[in-house]
Amino acid sequence: GAGVSQSPSNKVTEKGKDVELRCDPISGHTALYWYRQSLGQGLEFLIYFQGNSAPDKSGLPSDRFSAERTGGSVSTLTIQRTQQEDSAVYLCASSFVGQGSSYEQYFGPGTRLTVT
Amino acid sequence: AQKITQTQPGMFVQEKEAVTLDCTYDTSDQSYGLFWYKQPSSGEMIFLIYQGSYDEQNATEGRYSLNFQKARKSANLVISASQLGDSAMYFCAMRERRNTGNQFYFGTGTSLTVIP
Repeated sequence: GAGVSQSPSNKVTEKGKDVELRCDPISGHTALYWYRQSLGQGLEFLIYFQGNSAPDKSGLPSDRFSAERTGGSVSTLTIQRTQQEDSAVYLCASSFVGQGSSYEQYFGPGTRLTVT
Repeated sequence: AQKITQTQPGMFVQEKEAVTLDCTYDTSDQSYGLFWYKQPSSGEMIFLIYQGSYDEQNATEGRYSLNFQKARKSANLVISASQLGDSAMYFCAMRERRNTGNQFYFGTGTSLTVIP
């Protein structure tokens, strides 16, 4: 079956521009997560959705970052006025939430963002 | 305190040998989950194995097994009969339940190189 997909796979943008990153989770997965991974580093949690609501936004690094999810499916992470320190790989993951689930996350291939 | 600690930034193993990747965790919860993920150079995070805090038996998935020592709060990954394709970054992760839903924490990873 189809896995988690993300687009674009690569994005190069100029400092100060806005970018939108898209995540399409596995069908039926109600939980969706966004992470950021800088070169050679671990995963930094950004935001979590259960359905369309985001009960945990604690990881968003600044108010330039926002995310939404519509229809319990596709999610968009928006970074406004990008800065060079925003350069990283942005990973999206989804998981099934239900009785008997171990809640393992399935990750997309990521979007590599480069801010010049 | 770090929720997940992986003390081995890099490991080498001879092909066909077994290797253990260390992971310790910190939680005061009774119910939690432990995961291992593999990240090859292609970048995608691949779920390997899961251990629930109430599971008495160590989890196994093919050549992967999780050595779960609850009292020591360790969840080491054992890879038997290493293959060249096992060369990758390996991340240990923990899931805790919060009022806002499941919260995931990732370690900084261990880079495994399998030597022919």
